[in-house]
Amino acid sequence: AQSVTQLDSHVSVSEGTPVLLRCNYSSSYSPSLFWYVQHPNKGLQLLLKYTSAATLVKGINGFEAEFKKSETSFHLTKPSAHMSDAAEYFCVVSVGNDKIIFGKGTRLHILP
Amino acid sequence: NAGVTQTPKFRILKIGQSMTLQCAQDMNHNYMYWYRQDPGMGLKLIYYSVGAGITDKGEVPNGYNVSRSTTEDFPLRLELAAPSQTSVYFCASSQEGYTGELFFGEGSRLTVL
Repeated sequence: AQSVTQLDSHVSVSEGTPVLLRCNYSSSYSPSLFWYVQHPNKGLQLLLKYTSAATLVKGINGFEAEFKKSETSFHLTKPSAHMSDAAEYFCVVSVGNDKIIFGKGTRLHILP
Repeated sequence: NAGVTQTPKFRILKIGQSMTLQCAQDMNHNYMYWYRQDPGMGLKLIYYSVGAGITDKGEVPNGYNVSRSTTEDFPLRLELAAPSQTSVYFCASSQEGYTGELFFGEGSRLTVL
């Protein structure tokens, strides 16, 4: 069965410091993995997508994520946080077109 | 470039009332979805459609109905509103189903009192 766990419900970092949002998944098959971002009172927007082409995936706004099969992880990182990165981030797993599962979200706070 | 448009953005209902949340997309996507988002719970799938005339239940369909008469429109009907339906509702569409990017509307915040 597929599942996705976001290990932190809230993360706070200072502006200009690195960001790490953690995501572990469980899947019986080769999954597709996504990170979406949701700014306040907005819909979700795709940050990046992994579909087995390359383990390091680059997304928009300087974010990237690394697929580690041995650790069943897909952590999201950014070298230097900006105030505009404050939002909620969702890790998502899908297996084919059968089902998609959203993590419960991680709220990122940026401290000035 | 409109993308996915949802109306209304906000609505307050009394218990037992009914209403329809509208969703329209202009990207000619076959796949459309309705989700609800509750604090700390992620998104739960209510109903989905893989094309005009085809709909199916998701994870939490009770108390809701949908129709898909055209590719563009996918309205969500709430019958006999209950406080448990207080939530933020998101409509989304996709060209490739679950393997591709989902495009979301900005959401409809519904309160049932």
